[in-house]
Amino acid sequence: DGGITQSPKYLFRKEGQNVTLSCEQNLNHDAMYWYRQDPGQGLRLIYYSQIVNDFQKGDIAEGYSVSREKKESFPLTVTSAQKNPTAFYLCASSAHAVQLTGSGANVLTFGAGSRLTVL
Amino acid sequence: AQSVTQLDSHVSVSEGTPVLLRCNYSSSYSPSLFWYVQHPNKGLQLLLKYTSAATLVKGINGFEAEFKKSETSFHLTKPSAHMSDAAEYFCVVSEMTHDMRFGAGTRLTVKP
Repeated sequence: DGGITQSPKYLFRKEGQNVTLSCEQNLNHDAMYWYRQDPGQGLRLIYYSQIVNDFQKGDIAEGYSVSREKKESFPLTVTSAQKNPTAFYLCASSAHAVQLTGSGANVLTFGAGSRLTVL
Repeated sequence: AQSVTQLDSHVSVSEGTPVLLRCNYSSSYSPSLFWYVQHPNKGLQLLLKYTSAATLVKGINGFEAEFKKSETSFHLTKPSAHMSDAAEYFCVVSEMTHDMRFGAGTRLTVKP
């Protein structure tokens, strides 16, 4: 079955460490996204990528980095510069790259998420 | 700028009674609107989407939503709640795919 795989499901980090969250999709989707979810808040966009070797900052990119070397993969690195990294991280993909929504609205497919806790 | 407001952070219903989750939006264009559901420690699953076709949208698991432009609302309803409906629900407004705005979420509790 096609879908998005995120790993690890749970991750613990000591202060000052960088950690990388994996996101792999086998849907042949062009676009991929990383969101952060905090309790009582909606999802906030960290980074998105429309095509291989290209990515754009979202609303809260500071302290994070990404790469898109393969269409299927979009890993997220939480760096030591991120002062409050404890959160639930969700990876998503959509069939097409950025476009106006409307009759051809792009639906996001989500992974199961990775929960990061700073010790 | 687009935004979305979910009017209730928590809704509690009894099994078998109707569900109403309220969502108001703001957008400069004709947006697309979505409802997603999230079970604990899981990703989000699409319930339904509005994309300028019929104003009454039917989704999965018996849910539906009505787009009311005059009221800038997109409320989610279900005639009869089931225990498995207990989850967090998110209303989303989108003018561009990379610029989806999520509401803060409504936690639905279903009592036996």
